[in-house]
Amino acid sequence: ELKVEQNPLFLSMQEGKNYTIYCNYSTTSDRLYWYRQDPGKSLESLFVLLSNGAVKQEGRLMASLDTKARLSTLHITAAVHDLSATYFCAVDLNYGGSQGNLIFGKGTKLSVKP
Amino acid sequence: NAGVTQTPKFQVLKTGQSMTLQCAQDMNHEYMSWYRQDPGMGLRLIHYSVGAGITDQGEVPNGYNVSRSTTEDFPLRLLSAAPSQTSVYFCASSYSSPGGVVMNTEAFFGQGTRLTVV
Repeated sequence: ELKVEQNPLFLSMQEGKNYTIYCNYSTTSDRLYWYRQDPGKSLESLFVLLSNGAVKQEGRLMASLDTKARLSTLHITAAVHDLSATYFCAVDLNYGGSQGNLIFGKGTKLSVKP
Repeated sequence: NAGVTQTPKFQVLKTGQSMTLQCAQDMNHEYMSWYRQDPGMGLRLIHYSVGAGITDQGEVPNGYNVSRSTTEDFPLRLLSAAPSQTSVYFCASSYSSPGGVVMNTEAFFGQGTRLTVV
């Protein structure tokens, strides 16, 4: 059974600070996704990580994947208030050929304060 | 391009009633899925489909039925609503990926249906 664990679940940051969100998963997978969700809204795709060592960056967010350690990180650089949201990692249930079914972590609720 | 469209956006049901949540996508995606989101639980997979006529169960399938008669539509049926089914429901669709080929299969999500069962 594939399990996905995120930590921390709650993160309160000051503007300008750096922090990392961790996503561990329990079995082999070759696809990992990061999503953002604002309150009352749907999920917005941030990053798609498809191979060991993959690193993607968009603005103040950078995601990486270590398939051997079964670990992905989402690093926040110089946080700003607009980054306040809940961030989910999700792992594809099928290895070697996706069937579009994902297992999600419980999410990290990020609050950036001035 | 509408993407993934869910209807209704809000619904209140009485215990024991049945209803169907609608989901349609116009991206010609083969894969479609239903998730429910509860506070502190993340999203949990209810049912998924890899193409018309093919469905399978996810993590929490009990109390829900699905069918996939066309590529575009993937309705979710609640047979006899219970308060435990109060949740936000998301439908998602994604591209297919041939076996052995690692491709971008990110899921695109609808806006969600907020269901309350009283």
